Amino acid sequence: EDQVTQSPEALRLQEGESSSLNCSYTVSGLRGLFWYRQDPGKGPEFLFTLYSAGEEKEKERLKATLTKKESFLHITAPKPEDSATYLCAVHPSYTNAGKSTFGDGTTLTVKP
Amino acid sequence: GAVVSQHPSWVICKSGTSVKIECRSLDFQATTMFWYRQFPKQSLMLMATSNEGSKATYEQGVEKDKFLINHASLTLSTLTVTSAHPEDSSFYICSARAVTGKFTVVHNEQFFGPGTRLTVL
Repeated sequence: EDQVTQSPEALRLQEGESSSLNCSYTVSGLRGLFWYRQDPGKGPEFLFTLYSAGEEKEKERLKATLTKKESFLHITAPKPEDSATYLCAVHPSYTNAGKSTFGDGTTLTVKP
Repeated sequence: GAVVSQHPSWVICKSGTSVKIECRSLDFQATTMFWYRQFPKQSLMLMATSNEGSKATYEQGVEKDKFLINHASLTLSTLTVTSAHPEDSSFYICSARAVTGKFTVVHNEQFFGPGTRLTVL
């Protein structure tokens, strides 16, 4: 069974204090690993897709990396507007149905 | 990025009534859409996979007769909560996987709608 575990569950940072969020996964063949950002009361917003170990993607203050067992979302010099819940999901290669397995998310709070 | 809309954004209804929620992909076609339910401070719970032109696939424990899904076109899926009760109150979110148009399906990303807040009195 596919599993996605995100840590920490919650993270509080001061503005400008860089850190990383972790997403550990177990899947029978990885077709893609996705990162999303979700603000309270809204649907998740797509951030990145990673396909293979060693791949990195960047967007503004965010950088996502991937190994064979986990992915990291690095946040450099965060700002209060980066506060949100970050979700990780994996899409297995054994199905073309499009279903992904989601983690429970990491809630990030950035204080000014 | 790909845009998915949901309507209504919030709805309040009386117990025993039915509520329909629409999910539309605005700038791409989607043969597959997904319906999720989310409780406060919890992650997404997949309810069903909606396939254009065929029956939806429901996750274990989700009542098919309670949550009716119709995917009549490549850009529209609807979720109808029948005979709603207070325990059906939740945040319902749809997502779509792009097939054609500006986006291809090879990456399998899901693009999410803004969600619908359902409150059953």
